[in-house]
Amino acid sequence: DAMVIQNPRYQVTQFGKPVTLSCSQTLNHNVMYWYQQKSSQAPKLLFHYYDKDFNNEADTPDNFQSRRPNTSFCFLDIRSPGLGDAAMYLCATRYISDTQYFGPGTRLTVL
Amino acid sequence: GQQLNQSPQSMFIQEGEDVSMNCTSSSIFNTWLWYKQDPGEGPVLLIALYKAGELTSNGRLTAQFGITRKDSFLNISASIPSDVGIYFCAACKEETSGSRLTFGEGTQLTVNP
Repeated sequence: DAMVIQNPRYQVTQFGKPVTLSCSQTLNHNVMYWYQQKSSQAPKLLFHYYDKDFNNEADTPDNFQSRRPNTSFCFLDIRSPGLGDAAMYLCATRYISDTQYFGPGTRLTVL
Repeated sequence: GQQLNQSPQSMFIQEGEDVSMNCTSSSIFNTWLWYKQDPGEGPVLLIALYKAGELTSNGRLTAQFGITRKDSFLNISASIPSDVGIYFCAACKEETSGSRLTFGEGTQLTVNP
């Protein structure tokens, strides 16, 4: 059974049109992460939630926002997508150990 | 900043061969992780290592947490075509929150039948 679920798997948006990506988890993990991954590169951390505490990485553009309404769900909002934001977006979760469990990702295309 | 040097960048092998890849760093880490990523999918955890010197197997995969806590290797024995993918090492230093992962650049593995 899928434990970290991302919807949709593929998202196409237009330049400048806001888009929201969704992540849910059945693991009841208290930490959730959002990563951006461009082709064949390592994932790049955008931000994470430790319970309800939001932690933004210093180099994450203001264009990227996140919401975590409850333990199970976390959203990534891209307010005005540019062509450079086309990428795979990965959600991951963690509980006590340092091990992070990734979802299948959402491939974002910006036209 | 912290960096993991992962090698080799790519490998082309014949089915049945053994594979070895490693990650090194100038920093000490508390946890080493190995992930495999297939095209269009998220990274899947293969092996997690939490103790210096730890040697752990998962089927045909074996990984070790270096005794200096600055390196780790992953071996794949008797490779098969479905081993194709990108393998990432990742390591973690416990921080005040978040336990951020530092990733290697990945090893692209190609297995010829």
